This record gives sequence, C-alpha cells and structure tokens, in this order.
Amino acid sequence: RKEVEQDPGPFNVPEGATVAFNCTYSNSASQSFFWYRQDCRKEPKLLMSVYSSGNEDGRFTAQLNRASQYISLLIRDSKLSDSATYLCVVSREDDYKLSFGAGTTVTVRA
Amino acid sequence: EAQVTQNPRYLITVTGKKLTVTCSQNMNHEYMSWYRQDPGLGLRQIYYSMNVEVTDKGDVPEGYKVSRKEKRNFPLILESPSPNQTSLYFCASSGAPTHWSYNEQFFGPGTRLTVL
Repeated sequence: RKEVEQDPGPFNVPEGATVAFNCTYSNSASQSFFWYRQDCRKEPKLLMSVYSSGNEDGRFTAQLNRASQYISLLIRDSKLSDSATYLCVVSREDDYKLSFGAGTTVTVRA
Repeated sequence: EAQVTQNPRYLITVTGKKLTVTCSQNMNHEYMSWYRQDPGLGLRQIYYSMNVEVTDKGDVPEGYKVSRKEKRNFPLILESPSPNQTSLYFCASSGAPTHWSYNEQFFGPGTRLTVL
C-alpha cells in the first residue's frame, strides 16, 4: 500500500465552481501535512500547510481528519489559473522524510 | 532572489556514462534533498542531507550518490546510468525539520534526464 494515495482525477470543472478532493495516508504517526501545487511538470510549490483544526487561505480550505487518516482540499470559485496538479505531502514520524502523493489534476474550463 | 538552481535542465546520455546534476541554493538552508518524479508514482526521495557532511538514503537511493561538502551545494551523481533512471529530477531545500514540524520545501526547476 502506498503511503499517500490520491485520486488522480482529472477533475474538470467550469469557472466559478467548487471542487474538492481527498488524500489518504497510511502512517498514523504522521505529524505534518501539506498541499503543494505543480504546474505542467514544473517544480512543486507550497500551496498551504494543513493544521489539525483546518485552515483557510482565500478560496482554498484544507481539512485534516486524523481518525480516518485523510486530508482534503476544497477550492471555491475556481479560476482558470487554478488548473494544476495538487500534491498531497505527509511527513513521517521516524525519519526526516516526506511522502508525496502522485497528485490530483484539476482543469478549470471557461 | 532566493532560489534553488539545477544544472543541466535537460540531459540525454547513454547507459554507463557517469554524470552529475548540480544543485545550489542561496537561502542558507540546512536541509536539502533529491527527488525523482515518474508518472503515476509521485515524487520519491532519493537522498537527503540534514547539513554539511551529513547525508542519508531516501526511498530510492540505488544507483545514485550524493555529497554535501558545502552548505549551498548538493550534487547528484549517477556513476553508471541505466535506462530505468530516465526521469524528472528535482532538488529541494528548506530550513532544518524537527520531528514535529517541517518547513516549506523550495524546489529547483527540475532536470529532465533521458538515459538511452
């Protein structure tokens, strides 16, 4: 079983729509969680960290569910510029490594 | 400008010909790492370094070497490249992680390597 699993999509949504997707992780001891954004095989860039209480950054909302071991990302009022692949990233407790999901692709159409 | 640079950006080589991909950061970061990205597999960590002269294996270290002689540089060496090392490689750096928190990873622009 992969340490971090994501629905690859693609999620194809119209501008202005809301899109949400999850990421599951297998290591219950994971402490840090992130969403990174990657445009068309360019370098990943941090979108937001995910905190236990959930957090929001503009149109983006991230949630963490430790009991079910998943994190989610919700994008409201989608823009064309939100088209990208979103990578779920989870830390491991026992070593200084990060586990990356394979990514969820979102395409926003006009 | 704060950045991570990698060179070369694109490389086509042949099996067995030793190569080095350079990585340099100007943010005085302690932590540096190398990843490879393959379709459907996500980024997989090859090696990482917590500081100068401190390196450790990631999840897929076979066929790779690294060194960290200076804080800013973390080259990736393929002593005898093989076709299964054809991939997109990213170098990343950040402040030192602790067991309970990680800092933002800053990635280089990537190196697309093809081994024939």
